[in-house]
Amino acid sequence: NAGVTQTPKFQVLKTGQSMTLQCAQDMNHEYMSWYRQDPGMGLRLIHYSVGAGITDQGEVPNGYNVSRSTTEDFPLRLLSAAPSQTSVYFCATTRRGDSMNTEAFFGQGTRLTVV
Amino acid sequence: QKEVEQDPGPLSVPEGAIVSLNCTYSNSAFQYFMWYRQYSRKGPELLMYTYSSGNKEDGRFTAQVDKSSKYISLFIRDSQPSDSATYLCAMRGAGNNRKLIWGLGTSLAVNP
Repeated sequence: NAGVTQTPKFQVLKTGQSMTLQCAQDMNHEYMSWYRQDPGMGLRLIHYSVGAGITDQGEVPNGYNVSRSTTEDFPLRLLSAAPSQTSVYFCATTRRGDSMNTEAFFGQGTRLTVV
Repeated sequence: QKEVEQDPGPLSVPEGAIVSLNCTYSNSAFQYFMWYRQYSRKGPELLMYTYSSGNKEDGRFTAQVDKSSKYISLFIRDSQPSDSATYLCAMRGAGNNRKLIWGLGTSLAVNP
């Protein structure tokens, strides 16, 4: 049982390049989300999904796309990387209807640098 | 003014001390209150959560919510060097709005 797996762990991109950050979970959780964490800004929600085929925007969605074709996977795509997207990205999951109503499991993060 | 305020620290204590970590907030609609622990270069880990007011205890950890003062606390008893991490508070309102409001975190160092 791996929990939430993010790949890659580190990535350096040139401005204008595109890439996909992968997130996979094996807990059959309906709810998945992507956050970015920046010094002085804390954790900010980029996009989230309440189940396969359903996605919605969070607080800072511009420059990012997501899709959710399966329960297990929730990739985050950077369309044209910009230096402002240099950050640490976290994927999180929780079970729908969980009484705590919050993100319960986080991945280990992807450290992205855009030069 | 941020919706959630958290002293960034760093907080340095000797092993065995009682640690008090706090957050204040401004939105009286918040109903769910969470504490996460984040080790360096790792993802956040959910430690404690409470719904509405009151206390909740789990081993060496106690979470308190005072909604009248808009103030939440996390107490760590008998602190250990392995408790050295950044502690993040987070909160949200009731209903289907899943947006979490996060504090910036308090850095804690427990010295042997």
